[in-house]
Amino acid sequence: DTGVSQDPRHKITKRGQNVTFRCDPISEHNRLYWYRQTLGQGPEFLTYFQNEAQLEKSRLLSDRFSAERPKGSFSTLEIQRTEQGDSAMYLCASHNSVTGSTDTQYFGPGTRLTVL
Amino acid sequence: DAKTTQPTSMDCAEGRAANLPCNHSTISGNEYVYWYRQIHSQGPQYIIHGLKNNETNEMASLIITEDRKSSTLILPHATLRDTAVYYCIVRVASGADKLIFGTGTRLQVFP
Repeated sequence: DTGVSQDPRHKITKRGQNVTFRCDPISEHNRLYWYRQTLGQGPEFLTYFQNEAQLEKSRLLSDRFSAERPKGSFSTLEIQRTEQGDSAMYLCASHNSVTGSTDTQYFGPGTRLTVL
Repeated sequence: DAKTTQPTSMDCAEGRAANLPCNHSTISGNEYVYWYRQIHSQGPQYIIHGLKNNETNEMASLIITEDRKSSTLILPHATLRDTAVYYCIVRVASGADKLIFGTGTRLQVFP
């Protein structure tokens, strides 16, 4: 257990529905990252926050995706009008940029999304 | 695109050393080599990182060649629980950068 939690762990939804995932990072970590992982591939970066500010978004993050971190603590990732191609594992990671430049990112267990 | 190349898969007998190679021929002077692993259905787990000196911790050893164009992760006594996908990543030491994963090496430890 890295201290990063994600909820739910599994989500099955029908195409066209909206889904929302939550990530709770390690409490003192100021940076929070979202990644997506499809079968047989390594995780791909989606977006990251420093405190409540969203500082970078990947081109993978289409306009159907939105992420928030309103108080600089937990974060949510919402997917609107889900498509079958959204089926993947969604991973959250957190990092403390204050403690050291080489400190690592700690990953949560992920949320596995299946779109029928 | 990932800046590293790794073999797709490797096997190792339980109790033996597992040596996982990684090529990073375009590594810059300020980039570190990081290793993560991902056990099935879990999030990636940090193992070790280094700049140019060899590093060792309770999980593994990291050997970086003098020209820094390649490295080897060594699990000294592999166990069945070490079966996982191992990712070699190069990144700048700012700590802010996103991690760029390749497809990694699938290590299978057999009894």
